[in-house]
Amino acid sequence: SQTIHQWPATLVQPVGSPLSLECTVEGTSNPNLYWYRQAAGRGLQLLFYSVGIGQISSEVPQNLSASRPQDRQFILSSKKLLLSDSGFYLCAWRGRRVNEQYFGPGTRLTVT
Amino acid sequence: SQQGEEDPQALSIQEGENATMNCSYKTSINNLQWYRQNSGRGLVHLILIRSNEREKHSGRLRVTLDTSKKSSSLLITASRAADTASYFCATDAGGAGSYQLTFGKGTKLSVIP
Repeated sequence: SQTIHQWPATLVQPVGSPLSLECTVEGTSNPNLYWYRQAAGRGLQLLFYSVGIGQISSEVPQNLSASRPQDRQFILSSKKLLLSDSGFYLCAWRGRRVNEQYFGPGTRLTVT
Repeated sequence: SQQGEEDPQALSIQEGENATMNCSYKTSINNLQWYRQNSGRGLVHLILIRSNEREKHSGRLRVTLDTSKKSSSLLITASRAADTASYFCATDAGGAGSYQLTFGKGTKLSVIP
């Protein structure tokens, strides 16, 4: 069966510090991968998606970047965090033959 | 902008009652999906309804889709305290290769024991 992991689960970082969040998927190959951000009490905002290694599409201009160095690994990064980067970050994958997405447990980021 | 908009934003009911949540969207879609999120957790896929379907059932869940009104509803029958969560609709509007979903802001359901 497929599983998706995210780490860390929680993170408190000062403004101006770098960020690296990691997401890995097991049990499937060549998935579509997605990074979302969820502000408190709000819906999900799609940040990045990837249809293959090294292929990243950005949905909103922002302080963040994403990379996909391996088929089942998706990384969200920032060189300098802003207060507005605080939120709940969710990684998701989608198989090639299905329409639904499967989400990881999320990372709660607080920028202080 | 958000494709899906859920209504109501919050709903509080007694255990055993039915809960109905609505979703409206703006553009043509391939399918519409409902997800559930427990507090502080990731989303879990509940049910998918295709644009050529009008109603779908899964256990205590019933989803309807009216493409002429660009709206969908999720009915949870005989609610339980464990159904307490936020529920999101998500629309798949297609687009070559992107396979994106656009999520609404969600309905927060509280089921009181």
